[in-house]
Amino acid sequence: SQQGEEDPQALSIQEGENATMNCSYKTSINNLQWYRQNSGRGLVHLILIRSNEREKHSGRLRVTLDTSKKSSSLLITASRAADTASYFCEDRDDKIIFGKGTRLHILP
Amino acid sequence: KAGVTQTPRYLIKTRGQQVTLSCSPISGHRSVSWYQQTPGQGLQFLFEYFSETQRNKGNFPGRFSGRQFSNSRSEMNVSTLELGDSALYLCASSSFEGNYGYTFGSGTRLTVV
Repeated sequence: SQQGEEDPQALSIQEGENATMNCSYKTSINNLQWYRQNSGRGLVHLILIRSNEREKHSGRLRVTLDTSKKSSSLLITASRAADTASYFCEDRDDKIIFGKGTRLHILP
Repeated sequence: KAGVTQTPRYLIKTRGQQVTLSCSPISGHRSVSWYQQTPGQGLQFLFEYFSETQRNKGNFPGRFSGRQFSNSRSEMNVSTLELGDSALYLCASSSFEGNYGYTFGSGTRLTVV
């Protein structure tokens, strides 16, 4: 099966630093979405970027999309302890597919 | 405003049995999606409904089925349960015609023994 694949699988950074996660996909996309999952709040939709968009911002989040490379990146600026979670990208084409996620750990 | 409600929260079933899980979307939301999450396979899309019609389906065997009622509540059914069906089943609803803005429920943890 074709999947969005997040990279890296795990990431630990100091609080206040920026965190970047990448997602690659194998099919063409209509919409690519990023989600966050932690034990406290479950799965939360973060941001959607459409195939005709190249960059999107939402608060401390910045998502880019490179359709020529079939990749997307999620940047979290000025990280906080509450950002500790797993982050998933979802490739929304004919088949909706998630990657296995990047586990982000923010160190105090 | 109540969130997405999934029942039951926890469920233990025996291999070979069948199970029905329920999802009540946020009031006014007409799109409901179901997902399976396991440590090995991660988060996988099962199916999506909008206005009682299945709009999209993931790569799961026919043992997995779902439906949506006129009040937008949705159920998913798994027949002839296998050990590998043990997972967290998540439901999400959206006020839009799919594709974005989903709110997730807390999930139903199914254990097959």
